[in-house]
Amino acid sequence: QQPVQSPQAVILREGEDAVINCSSSKALYSVHWYRQKHGEAPVFLMILLKGGEQKGHEKISASFNEKKQQSSLYLTASQLSYSGTYFCGTGGVPGRRALTFGSGTRLQVQP
Amino acid sequence: EADIYQTPRYLVIGTGKKITLECSQTMGHDKMYWYQQDPGMELHLIHYSYGVNSTEKGDLSSESTVSRIRTEHFPLTLESARPSHTSQYLCASSEYTNREQDTQYFGPGTRLTVL
Repeated sequence: QQPVQSPQAVILREGEDAVINCSSSKALYSVHWYRQKHGEAPVFLMILLKGGEQKGHEKISASFNEKKQQSSLYLTASQLSYSGTYFCGTGGVPGRRALTFGSGTRLQVQP
Repeated sequence: EADIYQTPRYLVIGTGKKITLECSQTMGHDKMYWYQQDPGMELHLIHYSYGVNSTEKGDLSSESTVSRIRTEHFPLTLESARPSHTSQYLCASSEYTNREQDTQYFGPGTRLTVL
């Protein structure tokens, strides 16, 4: 079943923060975050594994709450380059099947 | 850096033609995938493969077929293209390890238009 992402779209000014959420009705083993810029392929950002770890990449970090079966992506002090559509991909049993992607969150950062 | 290639990048073709979209990766990944994505919309898995001679249909019903004769090559074929097939087709590959489950690396995509 497809994970649910919220919000569907968000507009920010440079320097503002944003949170994107990804929720699943099924047990999760992993959550993957990707960013896709217009006309380009999705690019891998980070993966979070079962265990509630939090990861970060520069000013983008994410958390994984396995009890709530959800993950959140945090964008701090957003830059123009952060604009794009963010997808979460959720994994079930390790090593089996493919990821199931959410419908995406469109993020636009304005000067 | 991921090395996954798709050709052609753009294709405009008439209804009823047979087409093959090529996808190759040089990373030795066992798993490969095909997604269909309309502009600005979600990714729909249409086919995936665990390895040579292994292919399965994805979540979205598709009239396309795939083959996996070599590890590095995962072509997608449409026997008779129709306007409803107009979309972007993304190929991806992954290798399962203990640390990075199924992290997928995407190719640049093929934008298909069927007239």
